[in-house]
Amino acid sequence: GESVGLHLPTLSVQEGDNSIINCAYSNSASDYFIWYKQESGKGPQFIIDIRSNMDKRQGQRVTVLLNKTVKHLSLQIAATQPGDSAVYFCAEKTGTGNQFYFGTGTSLTVIP
Amino acid sequence: KAGVTQTPRYLIKTRGQQVTLSCSPISGHRSVSWYQQTPGQGLQFLFEYFSETQRNKGNFPGRFSGRQFSNSRSEMNVSTLELGDSALYLCASSLSLNYGYTFGSGTRLTVV
Repeated sequence: GESVGLHLPTLSVQEGDNSIINCAYSNSASDYFIWYKQESGKGPQFIIDIRSNMDKRQGQRVTVLLNKTVKHLSLQIAATQPGDSAVYFCAEKTGTGNQFYFGTGTSLTVIP
Repeated sequence: KAGVTQTPRYLIKTRGQQVTLSCSPISGHRSVSWYQQTPGQGLQFLFEYFSETQRNKGNFPGRFSGRQFSNSRSEMNVSTLELGDSALYLCASSLSLNYGYTFGSGTRLTVV
């Protein structure tokens, strides 16, 4: 089966610092990747996505980097704010259909 | 624009019973997927529907089933409930295939 793993289960950062959340994926054929944020009591919220024909994509305060050579995905959050505290999941998809495989998640805590 | 709506939000059932969960996708979204989320297993794919057809099914026993109606609304059913079925069940909709999801807030199922 698929394996999407995260290097660190927890991450604490000071407010205003940049955060980097990492994710390793196992299927070299995966062609679409998404980062989700999940706050307590809510469903996962889409943050940013990237397709395999790109290696970097930027959004508002967030950047996703994709390194297909080592099958690694990262999410960078600039100027982290208390509202960024949540669990972050990476998800990968291979081929047609909409079946995504999710990582186990990283819990980000922002210290005011 | 209304998001993905899942009902009910909370449910308590007894072992051996069956349960039906409902999901209304975002208007215009034709792809609906279901996931089970538990602390131990994370987000596990259950099934995916597109235009009333089940396109993919995850590695769950036959007690888990689902369907999609012509208006894209979806239901999932779990029969002969077991204690291990206690989880957050998340529904997600997508405009089409190969697009990211928008998740609902989930149905928290507790089996006692």
